[in-house]
Amino acid sequence: AQKITQTQPGMFVQEKEAVTLDCTYDTSDQSYGLFWYKQPSSGEMIFLIYQGSYDEQNATEGRYSLNFQKARKSANLVISASQLGDSAMYFCAMSVAQGAQKLVFGQGTRLTINP
Amino acid sequence: NAGVTQTPKFRILKIGQSMTLQCTQDMNHNYMYWYRQDPGMGLKLIYYSVGAGITDKGEVPNGYNVSRSTTEDFPLRLELAAPSQTSVYFCASSYPDRVGYTFGSGTRLTVV
Repeated sequence: AQKITQTQPGMFVQEKEAVTLDCTYDTSDQSYGLFWYKQPSSGEMIFLIYQGSYDEQNATEGRYSLNFQKARKSANLVISASQLGDSAMYFCAMSVAQGAQKLVFGQGTRLTINP
Repeated sequence: NAGVTQTPKFRILKIGQSMTLQCTQDMNHNYMYWYRQDPGMGLKLIYYSVGAGITDKGEVPNGYNVSRSTTEDFPLRLELAAPSQTSVYFCASSYPDRVGYTFGSGTRLTVV
């Protein structure tokens, strides 16, 4: 069975600072994908970034990067130059490459950016 | 492009009542999913479908039923609503060979 662990219930960061949100995962599958989603207070789920288990380079999407350490089974999200609009819940999720892209989510981290 | 449309957005049910949460997508996605999100928690998979006529259970299927008669529609049926089903329900869809979902905006359900 797959499991995602996010150990930071809440994070407080000053605007313009970089922030790292932790995510560790557990799976016995060799082929899997790791995702980060943002959920603002309005409730929608916004896809941020994806990392495949066989990707050699860390994924980047604008201010978001995924620090993928396969041996440690970690997939931390790094947000550079944080903005007030980054305040939201952030979820790490995993899928395995077997048929449908069923996602297993962590419990989330609430990020608050202070001005 | 409408994407994934969920109705209703909000609903209050009494214990023992039944209802259907509607989900429609216009992107011709093969895969569709239903998740629930309890307060302060991540999403958990209820049911999913890989195509019309094919459905399967996820992690938390008890108390729910689904059907997939068309590619576009994937309704979720709650029978005999219980307070434990108070949650936000998300429908999503995806292509088989592409990364990432399109999520609907969610249905907030309260059972009293």
